[in-house]
Amino acid sequence: AQKVTQAQTEISVVEKEDVTLDCVYETRDTTYYLFWYKQPPSGELVFLIRRNSFDEQNEISGRYSWNFQKSTSSFNFTITASQVVDSAVYFCALSEGMTSYDKVIFGPGTSLSVIP
Amino acid sequence: GAGVSQSPSNKVTEKGKDVELRCDPISGHTALYWYRQRLGQGLEFLIYFQGNSAPDKSGLPSDRFSAERTGESVSTLTIQRTQQEDSAVYLCASSSTDRGANSPLHFGNGTRLTVT
Repeated sequence: AQKVTQAQTEISVVEKEDVTLDCVYETRDTTYYLFWYKQPPSGELVFLIRRNSFDEQNEISGRYSWNFQKSTSSFNFTITASQVVDSAVYFCALSEGMTSYDKVIFGPGTSLSVIP
Repeated sequence: GAGVSQSPSNKVTEKGKDVELRCDPISGHTALYWYRQRLGQGLEFLIYFQGNSAPDKSGLPSDRFSAERTGESVSTLTIQRTQQEDSAVYLCASSSTDRGANSPLHFGNGTRLTVT
């Protein structure tokens, strides 16, 4: 069965600090997809990144970076030089199977507060 | 272009009444998902439709919950004999099955259900 764990329930950082959000997943499949979504206070869920299980390359997009490590079943997300607008709940998600549009299970989320 | 549309945006109902929540996915998206998000909680998977395949109903919490989808378009989530514990935001998402696409989930704004 697939499972996503986000051990950090809430994190508070001061603006301009770096912050890493942890995600650990469980799956029996060798092919799967991992995602990160952001849910700002407005409530709308925003897609951030998708990564398949065959691609362990880390990715950087502006102030965001993702560290995928199959050996530890982790897909951590780092925000560099955090800003107040980064305050949101961040969800890690997992989809098993050959396509990224199979059943998607979400972790419980990490609430990030960036204090000015 | 049009995104995922959900109606109503808010619904207040009395305990014991039935409610129907509607989702219009993005045109051409064959995958459709329903999630439930209680206040301050994560996304709880309810049901998943993929084309003409049998839906994955493994997340429906009880037999009071059911969902249908007409072809590859509109979906309706029905909750019978509502209970106060059903109060939550019900989110619908759709996804493209184009293997060349990034295929993230596109979420609607949700229906906020309050059972009094």
